[in-house]
Amino acid sequence: EAGVTQFPSHSVIEKGQTVTLRCDPISGHDNLYWYRRVMGKEIKFLLHFVKESKQDESGMPNNRFLAERTGGTYSTLKVQPAELEDSGVYFCASSHATGGFYEQYFGPGTRLTVT
Amino acid sequence: QKEVEQNSGPLSVPEGAIASLNCTYSDRVSQSFFWYRQYSGKSPELIMSIYSNGDKEDGRFTAQLNKASQYVSLLIRDSQPSDSATYLCAVNMEEGGGGADGLTFGKGTHLIIQP
Repeated sequence: EAGVTQFPSHSVIEKGQTVTLRCDPISGHDNLYWYRRVMGKEIKFLLHFVKESKQDESGMPNNRFLAERTGGTYSTLKVQPAELEDSGVYFCASSHATGGFYEQYFGPGTRLTVT
Repeated sequence: QKEVEQNSGPLSVPEGAIASLNCTYSDRVSQSFFWYRQYSGKSPELIMSIYSNGDKEDGRFTAQLNKASQYVSLLIRDSQPSDSATYLCAVNMEEGGGGADGLTFGKGTHLIIQP
């Protein structure tokens, strides 16, 4: 079974530019999550999809961040326009979340550097 | 504010000994508890989940949960140099949630197994 995949693995952009990150969850996982780790800080939750619906986006830092999950399969996270403080590692995770088991499996992450 | 606290370490343990990692959390309604292992530059890897009070064993790993004390721990028996990593405690803290919500992470404990 393939794990969670993310693209790209690294992205370096200038302040003010736009970047789109992609996440492909484990096949059959309805729950998809985005997290971010800024240097020196703990991993922070951004948002949660159940299929194509946003279940919880309380962790999204501001309206420069837009996440979508059309068709309930892969998800994209767009940052527009990017600011210096958006630099960090963006992780995607997915979960089957049935039968009382809620384990989340993480992808390799996208390291975003805004200069 | 919902928090997960871990001692950042480093925690140094001789090879073959038991490594004990601790975590406390702030929210009594927390439902699901997870331990992730993260090697430098890599993504978090799920190693244990625990949902009810008591001990849960999986190979060399034992997770312990005490909801009354808001405390969760991870024991690693017969520690190996390959166990050297950062161990992240993650908690689902959403009241009324079904357990599939976004996780709150601690900053992690850096574990070093000395050969």
